Amino acid sequence: DAGVIQSPRHEVTEMGQEVTLRCKPISGHDYLFWYRQTMMRGLELLIYFNNNVPIDDSGMPEDRFSAKMPNASFSTLKIQPSEPRDSAVYFCASSLTGNYGYTFGSGTRLTVV
Amino acid sequence: DAKTTQPPSMDCAEGRAANLPCNHSTISGNEYVYWYRQIHSQGPQYIIHGLKNNETNEMASLIITEDRKSSTLILPHATLRDTAVYYCIVRPGGVTTDSWGKLQFGAGTQVVVTP
Repeated sequence: DAGVIQSPRHEVTEMGQEVTLRCKPISGHDYLFWYRQTMMRGLELLIYFNNNVPIDDSGMPEDRFSAKMPNASFSTLKIQPSEPRDSAVYFCASSLTGNYGYTFGSGTRLTVV
Repeated sequence: DAKTTQPPSMDCAEGRAANLPCNHSTISGNEYVYWYRQIHSQGPQYIIHGLKNNETNEMASLIITEDRKSSTLILPHATLRDTAVYYCIVRPGGVTTDSWGKLQFGAGTQVVVTP
């Protein structure tokens, strides 16, 4: 089992550019979560999906952020346009329905300059 | 959802047991206690969870008090690789609950294992 796979591991982009982060959950997991981590705010839940359907996006900071899950094996988090305050580590996690733990990916470190 | 209180930091000697406390005095009957840890620069890692009975797995043991208002995560023989931030989280058990998916991480406890 390769675990949750995120790409890229690091991304440096200029302010105003579009950024797309990618996630491949563990096969068979029906929940997928996107988190953001900063020193100031810690780990924040942005959005989560169940069976590819967004369930709660109340943590998405603003309209510049969007997330999709076109199929059970792939999700994207897009920021357009990006701003320096979006600099953070973005984690994707997946889980089975029920009282199980989440499996997190290694994260994408985003730097917007 | 119930909130948790953890000490901000603690030290532990290598080879000794590490006992990490967590207070969750407002926990409700259907809420589970989960523990995760985050080693520097890595994603959080699930450790263990429980409802009211004590639990043990290959990583740790979880002791929940009878009134369920507090719990202790025990790392039986701490190693240098156990240095991490440990998060105690309470979460409803029912997946139909709106808040089930909202696993909220607090500040956690920074554990440093020293030689």
